Amino acid sequence: QVQLVESGGGVVQPGRSLRLSCSASGFTFSSYGMHWVRQAPGKGLEWVAVIWPDGSDKYHADSVKGRFTISRDNSKNTLYLQMNSLRVEDTALYYCARGYTSGSYPFAYWGQGTLVTVSS
Amino acid sequence: DVVMTQSPLSLPVTLGQPASISCRSSQSLLHTDGNTYLNWFQQRPGQSPRRLIYMVSNRDSGVPDRFSGSGSGTDFTLKISRVEAEDVGVYYCMQGTHWPPWTFGQGTKVEIK
Repeated sequence: QVQLVESGGGVVQPGRSLRLSCSASGFTFSSYGMHWVRQAPGKGLEWVAVIWPDGSDKYHADSVKGRFTISRDNSKNTLYLQMNSLRVEDTALYYCARGYTSGSYPFAYWGQGTLVTVSS
Repeated sequence: DVVMTQSPLSLPVTLGQPASISCRSSQSLLHTDGNTYLNWFQQRPGQSPRRLIYMVSNRDSGVPDRFSGSGSGTDFTLKISRVEAEDVGVYYCMQGTHWPPWTFGQGTKVEIK
């Protein structure tokens, strides 16, 4: 069955960096786009970034552009989110979600999330 | 960016009664390919989001048939025909027509009266 397991969250000071990982199993990872979506405590869902199946294209939300970078290693079935220059407002639960492939529509599968807390 | 507006934001319902959530987009979600990429998600307390409906009205596998989606253009609705206790949570609409970014509604909290 499809499984997405995020890791790498933690408590970090403003201005520092963190790298999140999402380990995928149960499907052909290299055939799917992948997304990061975040949820601040008690708030709604905010799309963060997407990457194409082969990594050839990627997009980031304006709120993280220039600070966060999505990437993937298809040989390891793993999605990443490199987060630099972290701000207090980046505090959130970060989910990875499976994206699009032919015949399958995105956001059908989500991980359990990894919590990032940015605080001094 | 497409703005998604849900109403109501809070919905107290009686068990066994119907419930309806509205979602409006700031521009038409009809894609040039003829499809409309509007999804509905359920987030139960302490859980990850779960997709219920994709492309306006297609129920995901395992989703009870008491959930239904409808609409077109800029106006969409999620209906629960008879609310059960397990339906408590927050419901989000999300558009995937005009990306990036993919955008979500603010969420509607469904609770039992």
